[in-house]
Amino acid sequence: GAVVSQHPSRVICKSGTSVKIECRSLDFQATTMFWYRQFPKQSLMLMATSNEGSKATYEQGVEKDKFLINHASLTLSTLTVTSAHPEDSSFYICSARVVAGGGTDTQYFGPGTRLTVL
Amino acid sequence: GNSVTQMEGPVTLSEEAFLTINCTYTATGYPSLFWYVQYPGEGLQLLLKATKADDKGSNKGFEATYRKETTSFHLEKGSVQVSDSAVYFCALSKAAGNKLTFGGGTRVLVKP
Repeated sequence: GAVVSQHPSRVICKSGTSVKIECRSLDFQATTMFWYRQFPKQSLMLMATSNEGSKATYEQGVEKDKFLINHASLTLSTLTVTSAHPEDSSFYICSARVVAGGGTDTQYFGPGTRLTVL
Repeated sequence: GNSVTQMEGPVTLSEEAFLTINCTYTATGYPSLFWYVQYPGEGLQLLLKATKADDKGSNKGFEATYRKETTSFHLEKGSVQVSDSAVYFCALSKAAGNKLTFGGGTRVLVKP
């Protein structure tokens, strides 16, 4: 259980184009999903919190017009990198929050999407 | 604010050696503590967790005990395998919103 998928796993695009990354919870519903960015050999940086049916909450320093997040259903959140530039090249990872019985709160991560902007 | 500090790597050791990765945290109250593992080219997988003081999380031969008095959550494994080569992340979350705060990650390389 608690499987999270991401699509695509790898994408290469030209500078100036937009790229959409999907994050799906396959066997559970997630009212909250998170989007992270990871640079080579570095830790994960939280970009935003995606809440189903409402606007995403962005971390300080993350451009909301650059990184559009939509959480249209309880199993799907999308991240769109608009007008991508080479500095947006990175590994993007999503996670879905599960609150189990007894109140334990865990995030399950997707496999990540490697974006390369030429 | 919340923070997690873990030992820098890389940690290189031989198969069947004992592994310890130190992790300490700064947070108010009683956060939940996690260890995640990231294999090359993949996302993070939850390895183990502990939600209250003195809890011990364990999985796949790895263990970590939530020590409130020393604000630590060190990861240990008694006998590592080549397949344990990965990057290990210590993390914490507070109850509200469950935002995870990650340590910098520790790369572990196990040689045959």
